[in-house]
Formats: sequence, structure tokens, C-alpha cells
Amino acid sequence: DVKVTQSSRYLVKRTGEKVFLECVQDMDHENMFWYRQDPGLGLRLIYFSYDVKMKEKGDIPEGYSVSREKKERFSLILESASTNQTSMYLCASSNGQGSEAFFGQGTRLTVV
Amino acid sequence: GIQVEQSPPDLILQEGANSTLRCNFSDSVNNLQWFHQNPWGQLINLFYIPSGTKQNGRLSATTVATERYSLLYISSSQTTDSGVYFCAVDRPENYGQNFVFGPGTRLSVLP
Repeated sequence: DVKVTQSSRYLVKRTGEKVFLECVQDMDHENMFWYRQDPGLGLRLIYFSYDVKMKEKGDIPEGYSVSREKKERFSLILESASTNQTSMYLCASSNGQGSEAFFGQGTRLTVV
Repeated sequence: GIQVEQSPPDLILQEGANSTLRCNFSDSVNNLQWFHQNPWGQLINLFYIPSGTKQNGRLSATTVATERYSLLYISSSQTTDSGVYFCAVDRPENYGQNFVFGPGTRLSVLP
């Protein structure tokens, strides 16, 4: 069974904190993605990575950075969390252009 | 950029009824997937269907890539089918892969 695992399902952080969201996949996939989902705005791509140490900005990268040191792990970093980053964060992986994507269970982040 | 539309936005059914959800996209795509988002927020894969027709139990899907639409059929609906259904298309890029999601169809199945 394919598996994408996000480190936390729920997270509460304070404004200004540095926040790490971790995602691990066990399918040896090349591509990994971070999305956020907000009511009325749908799912929006923050960053994606198509190889180790490679990253590309998505539609809304401001306020975020990412790290991919190993193929199976893709981390989303909020350098200084703000209340407008309260959202549902979804990680995904796939094996290249045109192939099927699989999602993790999601992390609901609240910044207070 | 590519636009993805879904209809209807909301759908309420009685248990046992059938339904058809539609996804239109504005440009050619490499891939199209249908997902069901469960109450806990996870996106569950339903179909990977860049073209053609597939069936899985009570669900089936058809994508007509040349006419830029896909349909998801749900037969004999059950309360557990409730949730939001998304289609997502993979827009061609020079590298990697990049999904664009539709706004979703919220389905409520009443007992």
C-alpha cells in the first residue's frame, strides 16, 4: 500500500515561531508537493520538488521555504509563523509528469 | 494558466440515488485524477484517468481528453459517499509535475 505520512495531524503554534511540517513517502517517488487548503480558495500549491535538493516555487510561496535532503522526505518551513498561515497543509508525492499523485492525511495548523 | 471547473458545486441526494459530477478543463493535460476528501481532510484517490473509462465498484469515471472534460458517476449512493469530490489536472511543465485542482463538488447523501 502506498503511503505518504505527515508528521502531525493537528498543530498549534504561536506567532513568530519557526514551524516545521514534515512529510515522508515510502514509494521512491521523484516528485513531492506541499499544498495549503483554505475555505473558498481551494487547494493551492506552495512548493514542489522534482529531485533531492531541487525545489520550485508554486503559486503561493511567500512566507514559506522547503527542504529536501533525502528523496523520501520533504519539509515545509514557516520561518516566522503568522496568523494568516493558519490552514490545512497537504503533502503529496508522485513519480513524475503524468503519473498518479498520492496525498498524506493533512496537517491542520493553527497559529495563535 | 489552466482553469478547472467542477459542477455542480453542491449536491444533495437521498441514499440509493445516482449522480454525475463533471470536471471541465481549459487546456490539454498529462493526467487527471478524482479524489474524495474525507471528513478528516485526507484526499483519497478514486481514479487516475487521463483518458478513457474506469470502474471501481459503485463508482466509475470517464475522461474525454479531446473535449476537455471528465465525469464521475456514483451509483446507489451511500451516506459514506458524503464529502467533497475534487478533480485535479496535471499541467504540462518543462520539469516535474504540477497539479491544478478544481473547486470541488460537495456531496451530501441523506439516509
